[in-house]
Amino acid sequence: NAGVTQTPKFQVLKTGQSMTLQCAQDMNHNSMYWYRQDPGMGLRLIYYSASEGTTDKGEVPNGYNVSRLNKREFSLRLESAAPSQTSVYFCASSDGGRVRGAEAFFGQGTRLTVV
Amino acid sequence: QKEVEQNSGPLSVPEGAIASLNCTYSDRVSQSFFWYRQYSGKSPELIMSIYSNGDKEDGRFTAQLNKASQYVSLLIRDSQPSDSATYLCAVNMFAGNQFYFGTGTSLTVIP
Repeated sequence: NAGVTQTPKFQVLKTGQSMTLQCAQDMNHNSMYWYRQDPGMGLRLIYYSASEGTTDKGEVPNGYNVSRLNKREFSLRLESAAPSQTSVYFCASSDGGRVRGAEAFFGQGTRLTVV
Repeated sequence: QKEVEQNSGPLSVPEGAIASLNCTYSDRVSQSFFWYRQYSGKSPELIMSIYSNGDKEDGRFTAQLNKASQYVSLLIRDSQPSDSATYLCAVNMFAGNQFYFGTGTSLTVIP
């Protein structure tokens, strides 16, 4: 019973490098999300996909792009990493929008350091 | 701008006491409300969800919602050291299905 799976768990990048964070869910959820979590800042929404085929910006989208590859997969891309993007990244999914009060389920997180 | 405000704490309570965590939100369109627990280095996990005014109880946890005051709280009765964690308040707008989180309240239960 995997739930939400993120890869990789840890990553160190040099400034200017690019990378893609992968996320997959096996709960048949319509909605998927990418958050970043920084000390004292809580979880901030980067991008979300309310349903397959749609993506929208959240609170802090600058420097990121996303792809909803299919219903299961939602990837986050950093085109040119900056030290300000050092953070813990969480992917989440939810059946909300179809089910009132449906919670968000989180992956285990990716710890990204940009040097 | 959707804002969710929580006292960052830290909040310390003795073992066996009641811990009270509070959250206010700014967007009246918010429809569902959640409390997540997050242990250090781990991902958030759901404790309680509520979307009707009043109280909802689940074991030692009680969530309280007052939409008129835009206020949601979490009470933890008989607090245990294992309850020591950061508690995140989240609100959800049904349309668009976005979740917005507060910055979290750090709780320490002292044995």
